[in-house]
Amino acid sequence: SYDLTQPLSVSVALGQTARITCGGNNIGNKNVHWYQQKPGQAPVLVIYSDTNRPSGIPERFSGSNSGNTATLTISRVQAGDEGDYHCQVWDTTTVVFGGGTKLTVL
Amino acid sequence: EVQLLESGGGLVQPGGSLRLSCAASGFTFSNYGMNWVRQAPGKGLEWVSGISGSGDNTYYADSVKGRLTISRDNANNTFYMQMNSLRAEDTAVYHCAKSSSGTYPKNFDYWGQGTLVTVSS
Repeated sequence: SYDLTQPLSVSVALGQTARITCGGNNIGNKNVHWYQQKPGQAPVLVIYSDTNRPSGIPERFSGSNSGNTATLTISRVQAGDEGDYHCQVWDTTTVVFGGGTKLTVL
Repeated sequence: EVQLLESGGGLVQPGGSLRLSCAASGFTFSNYGMNWVRQAPGKGLEWVSGISGSGDNTYYADSVKGRLTISRDNANNTFYMQMNSLRAEDTAVYHCAKSSSGTYPKNFDYWGQGTLVTVSS
């Protein structure tokens, strides 16, 4: 089975840039999608197919994917960006999620 | 506006059964795949199952194969999951999630708030 590895937590100062990684074997050959989830709420798609932002998602959110690592980058981090971030891929006949990363804004 | 409303969760004993439903609105239901994604307390997301827009193709996680069956009623914009032989480890909030694709579960562009399933004696 295919595994995705995310750091348990990432901390960033208000206004700085946060980078959340998602590691997987040759993940650069797959389409990676990212979700933001705030406490008690349903997940929200923030990046799809590596680099694309759905309508309504701020330009501060961007994504990249190459080799064995995909990265979600959040520029000019705001307090409202705190929450859990999950990466996801489709692998053959199944959906795989990473374990999730808790983003803390200092 | 896309809306997904789950129902059917509750407390069930180990070995028991439940049927979850998801009522959809705000989009052409038959054009899109639908999925169930669960989240155990304090844990990450786990995809459980998916079905294509036409209903012809279904997909299941290995952890639930043989115990869960998904189906859809395109005439009534409703999506279902029959859960049998439930185990303690099935305890989770179950979210209904819309695929951006009509065929396979590529990614999930809209989610419901979820319904809680608790398996306990």
